[in-house]
Amino acid sequence: SQKIEQNSEALNIQEGKTATLTCNYTNYSPAYLQWYRQDPGRGPVFLLLIRENEKEKRKERLKVTFDTTLKQSLFHITASQPADSATYLCALLSGGGADGLTFGKGTHLIIQP
Amino acid sequence: DAGVIQSPRHEVTEMGQEVTLRCKPISGHNSLFWYRQTMMRGLELLIYFNNNVPIDDSGMPEDRFSAKMPNASFSTLKIQPSEPRDSAVYFCASSDRGGIDTQYFGPGTRLTVL
Repeated sequence: SQKIEQNSEALNIQEGKTATLTCNYTNYSPAYLQWYRQDPGRGPVFLLLIRENEKEKRKERLKVTFDTTLKQSLFHITASQPADSATYLCALLSGGGADGLTFGKGTHLIIQP
Repeated sequence: DAGVIQSPRHEVTEMGQEVTLRCKPISGHNSLFWYRQTMMRGLELLIYFNNNVPIDDSGMPEDRFSAKMPNASFSTLKIQPSEPRDSAVYFCASSDRGGIDTQYFGPGTRLTVL
């Protein structure tokens, strides 16, 4: 069955360091992968989209890589700040023919001052 | 633009009652999605509309759930009858190119079924 795995344990990072979050998937051949941020009591907010033929995408302090051989995406936040503390969700374009996204359960990131 | 609007923000009801959740997508977006989020299962796609037509409802848990999109600016998700296991946060999202493009999420409706 199709599965998306993100580290379910909270990730604690010291302010100023680079935070790296992992998204692994199985039984998928996604054409697109997206990363979203979700704060408590709010809906997810889109951050970055990367296509299967792209190895890396950057946006300000954010960087996403996409390795279709390893079936893995890495999400990096450089020079992390306490305001970056949130839950980060990866999402794949559903393989069932629909255009709805299939989300991982997310990783809770805590940036400690 | 006000973004995706959902109502109510919170709903508490008793088992067996009918619940209707409402969503107004961003003007000009042609795709609308309903998701459900729980701690155990995460964020799950329930149903997806494109140009007001339901495309994939395979995520709808059972016949107690139904969704409609009578026009481009309004959609409803109805649960009848509701059960305690339906308690979750329900999100509506819209986009202008299906799932390929950015999806904009509403604030969600927190449903509690007693």
